[in-house]
Amino acid sequence: EPEVTQTPSHQVTQMGQEVILRCVPISNHLYFYWYRQILGQKVEFLVSFYNNEISEKSEIFDDQFSVERPDGSNFTLKIRSTKLEDSAMYFCASSTVLSNQPQHFGDGTRLSIL
Amino acid sequence: QKEVEQDPGPLSVPEGAIVSLNCTYSNSAFQYFMWYRQYSRKGPELLMYTYSSGNKEDGRFTAQVDKSSKYISLFIRDSQPSDSATYLCAIPAAGNKLTFGGGTRVLVKP
Repeated sequence: EPEVTQTPSHQVTQMGQEVILRCVPISNHLYFYWYRQILGQKVEFLVSFYNNEISEKSEIFDDQFSVERPDGSNFTLKIRSTKLEDSAMYFCASSTVLSNQPQHFGDGTRLSIL
Repeated sequence: QKEVEQDPGPLSVPEGAIVSLNCTYSNSAFQYFMWYRQYSRKGPELLMYTYSSGNKEDGRFTAQVDKSSKYISLFIRDSQPSDSATYLCAIPAAGNKLTFGGGTRVLVKP
C-alpha cells in the first residue's frame, strides 16, 4: 500500500539553527499538509499546499516557517530560526482531492531543539 | 467551546471486549468525520471515514455519527492487544484542514 515517507525520523538541532524536514507524499496525491504534535497535546494543523502554493495556514505558521515542493516528489517544511517551543513531532500528510477526502499521514519527524 | 473533544482515557478493557469511543464537536456544519489510530511514536493511521449521520462498518470497526447530537462514536468488536493505541477523531473544516480531538488512549489487556 502506498505510504507517505518522512525523513529524518529524529532531528536534533541547536536553538536558532535552520532545519528542513522532508516528506515524500503518495505519488498520485495533489494536496499536501504539515501538522505538528507537541508531546501530550493535540495534533495541530500548520499548512496546506496545492499547485505549488499555500492554500491555508494556521496562526502557528508564522514567518519562520516555509514550505516548498522542490521537485516532483518531495515536499519540505523549513523552520528558519528554531526556538525551544518548536520541539514536537511534525507530520506530513497528503490527499487526492481537497474536499473532505481523507488525509494519509507519515510517521513523522521528531524535532528536538536544544 | 472546543471544536472537537474526546475523553483522554486511558480506557482499559480485557481482550475480546467491545471498545466504545466517543467524540463531540461544536460546529453543526461539519459533514465528514474520520477516526485515526496512532501507535506510540507513529503517525495517525486512517481507520474510518464517514459522511453525515448513520453507521459504517469495516471488519471489527463500526463508526456512528449522530449529527443531531454532534456526537460520533467508534466501536471495536473482539478487541485485541494489538488494538492498544490512541484513537483520534478528526473533522475536516473549510479547506480540508483537519481538526483533531485530543485522542483516547486504549489498552487491551490479554
